[in-house]
Amino acid sequence: QVQLRESGPGLVNPSGTLSLTCAVSGGSISSTNWWIWIRQPPGKGLEWIGEIFHSGNTNYNPSLKSRVSISVDKSKNRFSLRLRSVTAADTAVYYCAKRGKYAFDIWGQGTMVTVSS
Amino acid sequence: QSALTQPASVSGSPGQSITISCTGTSSDVGGYNYVSWYQQHPGKAPKFMIYDVSNRPSGVSNRFSGSKSGNTASLTISGLQAEDEADYYCSSYTSSSSFYVFGTGTKVTVL
Repeated sequence: QVQLRESGPGLVNPSGTLSLTCAVSGGSISSTNWWIWIRQPPGKGLEWIGEIFHSGNTNYNPSLKSRVSISVDKSKNRFSLRLRSVTAADTAVYYCAKRGKYAFDIWGQGTMVTVSS
Repeated sequence: QSALTQPASVSGSPGQSITISCTGTSSDVGGYNYVSWYQQHPGKAPKFMIYDVSNRPSGVSNRFSGSKSGNTASLTISGLQAEDEADYYCSSYTSSSSFYVFGTGTKVTVL
């Protein structure tokens, strides 16, 4: 059974870059799945950030597209999120997930990222 | 792309049935049978409950069922139990450049 685990700094300075990694275990990142980033601001709903296929193909939420990039490292069986020019509005729990066809069937436990000086 | 619309809260007594609606447009809910549902307990990651409108993944109780009519999808919880108290989110594929959109979320309270 595939498991996902997010890691990265819990505190990022305003105007800085948020960087998170999702480690994939129990399966290969090169399988026929898309790998997802989703976030949830405190007390609010879920927001799809974007996704990547093992080939490197990506799709991004248009509202974040100018600031976000997702990459994959097949040698380490992991994928990563970078979000540039962050503000307090980017404070959220960030989840990585696997998309099986058209649903998010496996989720990481989530990691809280606070944007503050 | 706006979030799909869900009621902020729904409540019911143990043993009762409740239904949560998820309203979108013909570009998402109404246009595709790619609606999924997620359960989220406080401080926990969402749990995958329903996919492709009405299919349950292995291990999900058959008390949970999904359906769709036009631009509105629904999640029904029958035989409501205390453990069902949680937030519920729908999601849909969308033909807009947003690819995937979530609902606003519904808090289910077991009275």
